[in-house]
Amino acid sequence: GQQLNQSPQSMFIQEGEDVSMNCTSSSIFNTWLWYKQDPGEGPVLLIALYKAGELTSNGRLTAQFGITRKDSFLNISASIPSDVGIYFCAGHQGNQFYFGTGTSLTVIP
Amino acid sequence: EAGVAQSPRYKIIEKRQSVAFWCNPISGHATLYWYQQILGQGPKLLIQFQNNGVVDDSQLPKDRFSAERLKGVDSTLKIQPAKLEDSAVYLCASSWGGGSNYGYTFGSGTRLTVV
Repeated sequence: GQQLNQSPQSMFIQEGEDVSMNCTSSSIFNTWLWYKQDPGEGPVLLIALYKAGELTSNGRLTAQFGITRKDSFLNISASIPSDVGIYFCAGHQGNQFYFGTGTSLTVIP
Repeated sequence: EAGVAQSPRYKIIEKRQSVAFWCNPISGHATLYWYQQILGQGPKLLIQFQNNGVVDDSQLPKDRFSAERLKGVDSTLKIQPAKLEDSAVYLCASSWGGGSNYGYTFGSGTRLTVV
């Protein structure tokens, strides 16, 4: 399957700080999704990106579809404790989405 | 709308035993997916259904795993016999269609522990 690498693997930040994480691949994707997964739950869709260069916001979240179509990043502004979780990127190719390795976020109050 | 329902939430079995998981997708969603998520990794697709037909099962270990979606609604995933390395969370997801314009909605998953 396709390999999507997320960095950083984990982050520990203070409440109120901004967060940035990214997802890279050697393959081209035509759609990027960002999901958040809480412990014991399934991933929940945060943002969908459909066009290279597209920048999309959802509240405090902003994500961009890289121009090369091989990467995407997610920013979270003014983090709060409920932002804690694992963030996954997913890229669409063929008939399926391939998921990244995840970035674990811990927010310290 | 009601979400994707999965059961059971947890299952512990001994190796070589059989186990089955059930999924009820969001009403009207034609496409259903089963993913395997090993601890510390992202979900990996096992099988994709479009209505009651299989679209992709290339990553399903068919010697021990089987899945069906009779009548194009509910789906079951079975493992027979289970191995230790099958310990994982099994996630079911559904979407309106199989194209890239449709994000998936995931269920809460079934956490399988094989001992």
